[in-house]
Amino acid sequence: DTGVSQDPRHKITKRGQNVTFRCDPISEHNRLYWYRQTLGQGPEFLTYFQNEAQLEKSRLLSDRFSAERPKGSFSTLEIQRTEQGDSAMYLCASSSERGEETQYFGPGTRLLVL
Amino acid sequence: GDSVTQMEGPVTLSEEAFLTINCTYTATGYPSLFWYVQYPGEGLQLLLKATKADDKGSNKGFEATYRKETTSFHLEKGSVQVSDSAVYFCALLGSYNQGGKLIFGQGTELSVKP
Repeated sequence: DTGVSQDPRHKITKRGQNVTFRCDPISEHNRLYWYRQTLGQGPEFLTYFQNEAQLEKSRLLSDRFSAERPKGSFSTLEIQRTEQGDSAMYLCASSSERGEETQYFGPGTRLLVL
Repeated sequence: GDSVTQMEGPVTLSEEAFLTINCTYTATGYPSLFWYVQYPGEGLQLLLKATKADDKGSNKGFEATYRKETTSFHLEKGSVQVSDSAVYFCALLGSYNQGGKLIFGQGTELSVKP
């Protein structure tokens, strides 16, 4: 069990550019979650996958955001035409389906949009 | 909708002091309740959890009891250490939302002075 990993850890981009983040969950976990955390706030849910199926999306996830988990393993979160308001920490978490509800979080990707 | 409210920080204590961080929730049904801790520059780590009323979660000297009658899940520790300095998040997972999103409070920053 190597834990949840995220890449990159930090990303600085200019407004209008596209960015993509990757999350690798704990290997035996089939559920994967994305959250966004702004400074001084708790994480807010963005979206959730069970295997490759995207089961729930928050209203926070505008049309500029898209998430995929094509083979039910790693996931990517893409933000198109970034805006300064997208600056935040993007957290990924995973959990198993065996009645275990605990979500295990990765270290996050900190995005700064200039 | 479901929500979590935590006491505002920052909380500043001397080493070996008693800690209480208040957390109350609003939810339908019987949610599961969690405390996560976030150390500077890191992702969230599960501290403890409780899945039904009157359950007590405990870990590393921290405790919290799921009180349905007061809709509370206050975090306590009898003697804090400098290494406990971090941000603490209370969260719930709704009973009708198994495998779905965690709803977090805004976080409480704890600073422990030697």
